[in-house]
Amino acid sequence: QVQLVQSGAEVRKPGSSVKVSCKASGGAFSTSTITWVRQAPGQGFEWLGGISPIFGTPMYAQRFQGRVTITADTSTTTGYMELNSLRSDDTAIYYCARDSGGAPESWFDPWGQGTLVTVSS
Amino acid sequence: DIQMTQSPSSLSASVGDRVTITCRASQSISYYLNWYQQKPGKAPRLLIYAASSLQSGVPSRFSGSGSGTDFTLTISSLQPEDFATYYCQQSYSTPQVTFGPGTKLDI
Repeated sequence: QVQLVQSGAEVRKPGSSVKVSCKASGGAFSTSTITWVRQAPGQGFEWLGGISPIFGTPMYAQRFQGRVTITADTSTTTGYMELNSLRSDDTAIYYCARDSGGAPESWFDPWGQGTLVTVSS
Repeated sequence: DIQMTQSPSSLSASVGDRVTITCRASQSISYYLNWYQQKPGKAPRLLIYAASSLQSGVPSRFSGSGSGTDFTLTISSLQPEDFATYYCQQSYSTPQVTFGPGTKLDI
């Protein structure tokens, strides 16, 4: 069973960057797609992007294009999401999840435990 | 983007009740619809995928149905551990997936 463990909570100032990690264990990391989703306080979910480690080519949501960078290190089975030019409305819990593949018949399972990113001056 | 709506936004029910939550897509998404459960302070948990397939380990009191634009999640007999927020998610436009706003189920 794949398990995803994320890095700890972060506090950043507006205009800075944050990088969140997602360590996978118990499964075939390289052949999975790791996706990143965020949830603002009391809000729903927003897809940021994803990456297939074996291919290494990330995909990004249009509204985050140019501000988010998603990477994966197959040697450490770890995925990363870096968000730049942070604003207060980027304050959210950031989740990684494994995409089951087989799009469009696909789903997210399992999920990491989430990483709270707080942007405040 | 495909917009997802859910109704009701919140729902009060009792243990043993049968509960139905509705999810609607702004365009046809075939059967590419998933349901998740989220409890406070926890990550979402996959319940139903591809509209009606029960994820391994999920109790059989959960079921999903629908296709096209209209979908339902049904809990046949509510248990205390089912009080949570439920979200639908469309994968038709993968990778640009979208989620519903959630339905909070409480006692």
